[in-house]
This record gives sequence, C-alpha cells and structure tokens, in this order.
Amino acid sequence: AQKITQTQPGMFVQEKEAVTLDCTYDTSDQSYGLFWYKQPSSGEMIFLIYQGSYDEQNATEGRYSLNFQKARKSANLVISASQLGDSAMYFCANVATRGSTLGRLYFGRGTQLTVWP
Amino acid sequence: EAGVVQSPRYKIIEKKQPVAFWCNPISGHNTLYWYRQNLGQGPELLIRYENEEAVDDSQLPKDRFSAERLKGVDSTLKIQPAELGDSAVYLCASSLDLASLETQYFGPGTRLLVL
Repeated sequence: AQKITQTQPGMFVQEKEAVTLDCTYDTSDQSYGLFWYKQPSSGEMIFLIYQGSYDEQNATEGRYSLNFQKARKSANLVISASQLGDSAMYFCANVATRGSTLGRLYFGRGTQLTVWP
Repeated sequence: EAGVVQSPRYKIIEKKQPVAFWCNPISGHNTLYWYRQNLGQGPELLIRYENEEAVDDSQLPKDRFSAERLKGVDSTLKIQPAELGDSAVYLCASSLDLASLETQYFGPGTRLLVL
C-alpha cells in the first residue's frame, strides 16, 4: 500500500522568504517516484517537481527543490524566494511502480500555502 | 501545445439525474486518467486507460459510474444516477507512456454539485 502524509494543513510565509512543505511517504516498493503538484483556486493541478527513488541528487526546478531523505522516507518541497502567486494548495504524491496499480498516483491531503506581502 | 481539456467546468444537477464529463488529453499521450477530488482531500484515481483499454478501474463504483475511451483519444466519464456524495471535482490527466511512468498532466477539472 502507498500512503502520503502531509502534516501541515496550512503554512504562511512572507514574500521573498523560503518555505518548506513537509511530506512523508510509506511504500514497500524498492523503486518509486515522488511528485509535487500545485493547485491554485482555479482547480488545475500543476506539476512542479519529480524525484525518483534512485536519483542520488535532490531534484531542482527553478525556485523549487526537493529535500529527499530516503532513510527517513521524507520528500519535503522547498520554495525559495516566495512570490504572491505561490499562494495555493500543494500536494505531495507517490506513484505506484508495479502491479495492477502501476502508474496510480497516491496523494496526500495537501498543504495550503499563503504568501503575504 | 494545448493542455488537457475538460468540459464542462461546472455542473449542477439534482440527485438521481445523469451527468457526463468529457476529457481530451494532450496530443500523443497514450495514457489517460480520471481522478475524483473530494473537498479537503487529494485526488483519488477512478480509472486509468492505456490507449482504449481500461487497465486500472478497481476504484470505479461500477454500479453507477461508467467510462469510455473508444478511439484511444478523448474520454467520457458518466454517472447515472448521481447521488449527493458524488459532489466533487473530477480531474482528467494524461501522460505520454505508462511504462516509463511519465509525469501526469492534469486538466482544469469539472466541479460537480449534486443537490
């Protein structure tokens, strides 16, 4: 079974500051992938960043980076230099890599990020 | 390049009525997914298609939900009859190829309200 835990229902950060959104996962798969998506109030899920379980380096995409700690089963998202437009719901997800559920994304409950001026 | 297109964006119906949602994936994407997102939750998979074949529909409530992807391109998800608990956002996603676990790209969703 796959399980994603996001313990922060809401986070607040001032513009231009960095913020870390927590994510822990539980999987029995040896090979897996972790995603972060952003969901603004418009509803669309926007892909941000991906980390494969065998990737030795932490993934980075512009202002987004993933602090991947495999032994602790955590995949925290770090947003540097926050912008007002970053205010949204953020979801961490694990992808099943084998069996009948191959490709299925398992999402956490999300963290609502609010960036204030 | 156009993203995943969904329609309608919003739908309000009375319980026991039928409703249908349409999705057109990104061009060239073989894998199509339907997710349901309840209020305050993350999305949950309903069904996954590889071309025109449904390869993961274990979480689709088959007594009232049906889906099709006849030509392996666009897809329709239907609920008949709708119940109050079906109020949710229905998200469609597509990816290039299932085997390589390519990133799933989502559409804007259809917000369904059942009265």
